[in-house]
Amino acid sequence: KAGVTQTPRYLIKTRGQQVTLSCSPISGHRSVSWYQQTPGQGLQFLFEYFSETQRNKGNFPGRFSGRQFSNSRSEMNVSTLELGDSALYLCASSLGTGTSPEAFFGQGTRLTVV
Amino acid sequence: AQSVTQPDIHITVSEGASLELRCNYSYGATPYLFWYVQSPGQGLQLLLKYFSGDTLVQGIKGFEAEFKRSQSSFNLRKPSVHWSDAAEYFCAVGAPAGNKLTFGGGTRVLVKP
Repeated sequence: KAGVTQTPRYLIKTRGQQVTLSCSPISGHRSVSWYQQTPGQGLQFLFEYFSETQRNKGNFPGRFSGRQFSNSRSEMNVSTLELGDSALYLCASSLGTGTSPEAFFGQGTRLTVV
Repeated sequence: AQSVTQPDIHITVSEGASLELRCNYSYGATPYLFWYVQSPGQGLQLLLKYFSGDTLVQGIKGFEAEFKRSQSSFNLRKPSVHWSDAAEYFCAVGAPAGNKLTFGGGTRVLVKP
């Protein structure tokens, strides 16, 4: 079956702009989480959506937001971009239940803010 | 709060030699533990997972990991490394409910011919 699909793979944006990233989870998975990966901070959890509701949230400013649609696809939005937002953004999908919590990752979206 | 420590930032190993990557975690209850591998510019691939039961778990690509509750460790091993194993490896801990992982800082593995 198809894996987790993230689009676009690469983005270049200017400071102050906003950006929307998309994630299509594995079919049947209801949970989507987002992570930011940078050389300095490593992999950091942004937020998780399960059945269209935010279930967990990391320690990021309000400029980072997300949503999930009824088909489980998720989008992440970053407003008023800063240079420090340059990172690889990874999406992970899982069934979201306690019996099978393993997460499967997409290839990521590389965001460069100039 | 949960945390994961990978003490080794870089490891260099000769092809054919054995490999062991260390992972220590801090978690209030029985953790769900994972190892992921990442090639440059790519996403994370799940190598193996531990939820409960047998403390020695087998994964893909010939990797195995052992859960030791007394040492709060979940070390990854491979008996014989191949050049294609050169990558960055991440240990992660998760809660039973929710798709939220806490990652270690990663260990970059270099394989010498």
